[in-house]
Amino acid sequence: QVQLQESGPGLVQPSQTLSLTCTVSGGSISSRSYYLHWIRQPAGKGLEWIGRIYTTGSPRYNPSLQSRLTISVDTSKNQFSLKLDSVTAADTALYYCAREGGHGDGFDIWGRGTMVTVSS
Amino acid sequence: DIQMTQSPSSVSASVGDTVTITCRASQDISSWLAWYHQRPGRAPKLLISAASSLQDGVPSRFSGSGSGTDFTLTISSLQPEDFATYYCQQGNSFPYTFGQGTKLEMK
Repeated sequence: QVQLQESGPGLVQPSQTLSLTCTVSGGSISSRSYYLHWIRQPAGKGLEWIGRIYTTGSPRYNPSLQSRLTISVDTSKNQFSLKLDSVTAADTALYYCAREGGHGDGFDIWGRGTMVTVSS
Repeated sequence: DIQMTQSPSSVSASVGDTVTITCRASQDISSWLAWYHQRPGRAPKLLISAASSLQDGVPSRFSGSGSGTDFTLTISSLQPEDFATYYCQQGNSFPYTFGQGTKLEMK
């Protein structure tokens, strides 16, 4: 049973870089090709798609975040990561990593989410 | 970006009722539509993909239909665990987008 787990600092200073990692357990991400995503949810609000990466690379980003965003994959560690530069309070949210089994198939496996607060 | 609009934003119902939630896309997304529900403090759970394909383990009281721009999620014979927030999501083109959510509350 594949599981995802987000990790990273819960507090980030304004203008700094938010860095999160999603560790995949229960299977090697290099043994099968699927899409790995980041999604966020501000408290009490809806879901915003951040971006995705294929297990062999080829990231796609939300244009609203693209200038500040980097998503990468490390198959040797069974992890993928998110880096968001120049954060502001508007980036405060619960960040989820999720798997999409095939393009357009929906997010069938989610991590539990990790809360990130941007504040000094 | 493709805008996804759900209606209603909230609905009150009782155990045993049937509820229908609609989702409209701002442009044709074929059948690239997924439905999720999210209970408080939990991650969303995928219920239906490809507009009408029920995920393994999801009760048959959930059903989805539609294609193009108009979609529906129907929940028949509501159970206590169904009271949650429901989201639609298009996977037709980037950026993927979600509806604003429909909160299903117990009457």
